[in-house]
Amino acid sequence: QQQVKQSPQSLIVQKGGISIINCAYENTAFDYFPWYQQFPGKGPALLIAIRPDVSEKKEGRFTISFNKSAKQFSLHIMDSQPGDSATYFCAASMNYGGATNKLIFGTGTLLAVQP
Amino acid sequence: ETGVTQSPTHLIKTRGQQVTLRCSSQSGHNTVSWYQQALGQGPQFIFQYYREEENGRGNFPPRFSGLQFPNYSSELNVNALELDDSALYLCASSFISGSGTGELFFGEGSRLTVL
Repeated sequence: QQQVKQSPQSLIVQKGGISIINCAYENTAFDYFPWYQQFPGKGPALLIAIRPDVSEKKEGRFTISFNKSAKQFSLHIMDSQPGDSATYFCAASMNYGGATNKLIFGTGTLLAVQP
Repeated sequence: ETGVTQSPTHLIKTRGQQVTLRCSSQSGHNTVSWYQQALGQGPQFIFQYYREEENGRGNFPPRFSGLQFPNYSSELNVNALELDDSALYLCASSFISGSGTGELFFGEGSRLTVL
């Protein structure tokens, strides 16, 4: 119940296309759903995050869609660029705003944007 | 850059040895978390420290221990190293206030290889 399942494992998109990465969870106690971007040799960096009280959040070219009833959320990268090539992780935590922000990460998606 | 610095960046140990990894939190942050990221996997929560005390722990054995110092820097200690301990160890800092825990900022990690 603590798992976050992420797909696809890898993704190749043409420059200008839309990249879509999906995640699913089981634990309904999760109340914070961030997406992290990780470049080789670097630590994960927060890209965008959503709480379950909204169904969509957009920041620039990045959008999270959240389906509470299906227990799924996805990351959409519009107008994908070669600089977006990285590994993307979805994550979830419970008790956001509490004393412990323990993140459960998905297994990651390696995105390659071809020029 | 997140302002979270880790040392050393790379190290090699042999099975049975002990290792200490260090982390300097981002200025103003009072909480530090440690994550283990095996190759090709998402980070896994080891533990979190707040006010110099362990404040949440993941599914890791007691040979994984930590310290948080008054200046909010931190150490991760691993005793009796095993081959499976080979991974990237990530430190993340955040700030807990009366309204809860803020965003996690990750360092670039310490790459540990156990031979």
